[in-house]
Amino acid sequence: EAQVTQNPRYLITVTGKKLTVTCSQNMNHEYMSWYRQDPGLGLRQIYYSMNVEVTDKGDVPEGYKVSRKEKRNFPLILESPSPNQTSLYFCASSLSPTGSPLHFGNGTRLTVT
Amino acid sequence: KQEVTQIPAALSVPEGENLVLNCSFTDSAIYNLQWFRQDPGKGLTSLLLIQSSQREQTSGRLNASLDKSSGRSTLYIAASQPGDSATYLCAVRRGDMRFGAGTRLTVKP
Repeated sequence: EAQVTQNPRYLITVTGKKLTVTCSQNMNHEYMSWYRQDPGLGLRQIYYSMNVEVTDKGDVPEGYKVSRKEKRNFPLILESPSPNQTSLYFCASSLSPTGSPLHFGNGTRLTVT
Repeated sequence: KQEVTQIPAALSVPEGENLVLNCSFTDSAIYNLQWFRQDPGKGLTSLLLIQSSQREQTSGRLNASLDKSSGRSTLYIAASQPGDSATYLCAVRRGDMRFGAGTRLTVKP
């Protein structure tokens, strides 16, 4: 089944403890991206990647890192999480960077205490 | 900086009504516009994608239009059903992607 898979679905951690949220797609998509969704602020893009080894900052990249070493994977790294990074995170991908629909994963709910 | 606005923020209608959701954006230099549906606690499901060169797209009871020059898109839902209750989001794309805050739709039986 064609899908975008995020892990874990739920994560509770403490301030400063490095964590990685994984994202994998099995559709050979070129474009992958990360978003956070917060009440009252909507969905905001964190980082995106047009292809392997190409990443760009979105609207809210501070405090996050990404890498795109292979086409199918696009992990989101929080080197030193803080409570203001508590949010619902979504990974998404599309076949082309410009013209095809975006497919979303089921989300990762992160709580930083 | 691209700003995307959706009106209304919430809408409640009786079953069977036809309805229109609105999306506006400030920068017409976009590749495409996409409408999504989000159910509570779930991810986003793509409904329709309109390329910048297109005027509308249709899928079943849904029809989306795009007027790039005026920075507007509408999502028309025909004969609404309780199962249509969800939050509807529009997003515009040019490299990065920017979302509206969404319209929360409730369709009452």
